[in-house]
Amino acid sequence: DSGVTQTPKHLITATGQRVTLRCSPRSGDLSVYWYQQSLDQGLQFLIQYYNGEERAKGNILERFSAQQFPDLHSELNLSSLELGDSALYFCASSRDPTSGRDIAKNIQYFGAGTRLSVL
Amino acid sequence: LAKTTQPISMDSYEGQEVNITCSHNNIATNDYITWYQQFPSQGPRFIIQGYKTKVTNEVASLFIPADRKSSTLSLPRVSLSDTAVYYCLVGDKGGNNRKLIWGLGTSLAVNP
Repeated sequence: DSGVTQTPKHLITATGQRVTLRCSPRSGDLSVYWYQQSLDQGLQFLIQYYNGEERAKGNILERFSAQQFPDLHSELNLSSLELGDSALYFCASSRDPTSGRDIAKNIQYFGAGTRLSVL
Repeated sequence: LAKTTQPISMDSYEGQEVNITCSHNNIATNDYITWYQQFPSQGPRFIIQGYKTKVTNEVASLFIPADRKSSTLSLPRVSLSDTAVYYCLVGDKGGNNRKLIWGLGTSLAVNP
């Protein structure tokens, strides 16, 4: 158990709908990362938040948004869903003992993921 | 933009040493190179990281040449439980918008 909690585990919805995925980081971790993993594209980094603020941004679509709340939990909102958005979505957290630009250095602890199926 | 390249798959037998190389260009000058392991239906798990030369921990070694354009994960004496996908992770070099660049992963199959 990594200590990172993601809910729900599974989500089935229809095209055009909007869903919210939730992540609770490990106790004491200030950073939260979101990833999308599909069979044909591997692990895609979407976005990172550190202590409530956006720190790094990957290939996140405009239809997707995220935020980190004062209690450090995070939500990923996916809207106008398309069939191609079906994937496993992971959240990870890290402690970030160093500030700034060395983002690959921070060891990430991953949750079990949310499997999203868009029908 | 930084780019990483790893072999798609590798096969090995129990007890052998396995080396997986990741090529990465245009990576952040001061950032680390990190490797993760992923089992089916689970999130990736940290294995090892380094900046340059050689790093060893209880499960693996990591070799990084001076030019940092590649890194090699070495798994000594693999067992069936090492069958997994292995990813290298680097930080992108440019600009104020830092990105995490993951390799596509190497699927390692360890046979009896």
